[in-house]
Amino acid sequence: EAGVTQFPSHSVIEKGQTVTLRCDPISGHDNLYWYRRVMGKEIKFLLHFVKESKQDESGMPNNRFLAERTGGTYSTLKVQPAELEDSGVYFCASSLRGANTEAFFGQGTRLTVV
Amino acid sequence: AQSVTQPDIHITVSEGASLELRCNYSYGATPYLFWYVQSPGQGLQLLLKYFSGDTLVQGIKGFEAEFKRSQSSFNLRKPSVHWSDAAEYFCAVVLINTDKLIFGTGTRLQVFP
Repeated sequence: EAGVTQFPSHSVIEKGQTVTLRCDPISGHDNLYWYRRVMGKEIKFLLHFVKESKQDESGMPNNRFLAERTGGTYSTLKVQPAELEDSGVYFCASSLRGANTEAFFGQGTRLTVV
Repeated sequence: AQSVTQPDIHITVSEGASLELRCNYSYGATPYLFWYVQSPGQGLQLLLKYFSGDTLVQGIKGFEAEFKRSQSSFNLRKPSVHWSDAAEYFCAVVLINTDKLIFGTGTRLQVFP
């Protein structure tokens, strides 16, 4: 069974450009999460989908970030326009029944804004 | 402030030595507790978790962790470290009635032969 897949693995963009990160969760997992790790700091929660609905988006930094989950399957996280402080590793995770069960993580997308 | 603390940023041990990684949390109620590991180029993998019951929890790869309520701690241990254990280890909690992981800053483990 395929795990959580994230694309791209790396992205380098210029300040002001737009980047879209994609996450394919494990098939059948209704819960999908986005997290971010800025260099040297802790991994921080961004948002949580249950199927196609946003359950909790309290961690989204600002309105330059837009997350979608089409049809309750894959999810995208768009940053527009990107700023230098958006650099970091973006992780996606999925779980069957919520975060108090095992969350399976993707390998992350390393975003560098220059 | 509410937080998860991993006081050791970087630990170096010799292969075969014992290991203990520290984790403390500061929340009023006991949260659900987790340890994750991230090997180079990989995603985070769950090592073990504690929800309730026996305070000594066994995980994968020979790891165990002990929950101590009086110390608000959930330290990770392994009796004999292997070179393949070199990775970054994250302690995390899920607060009751929430659905998101709150992570510590991580501890990077280096293993010398």
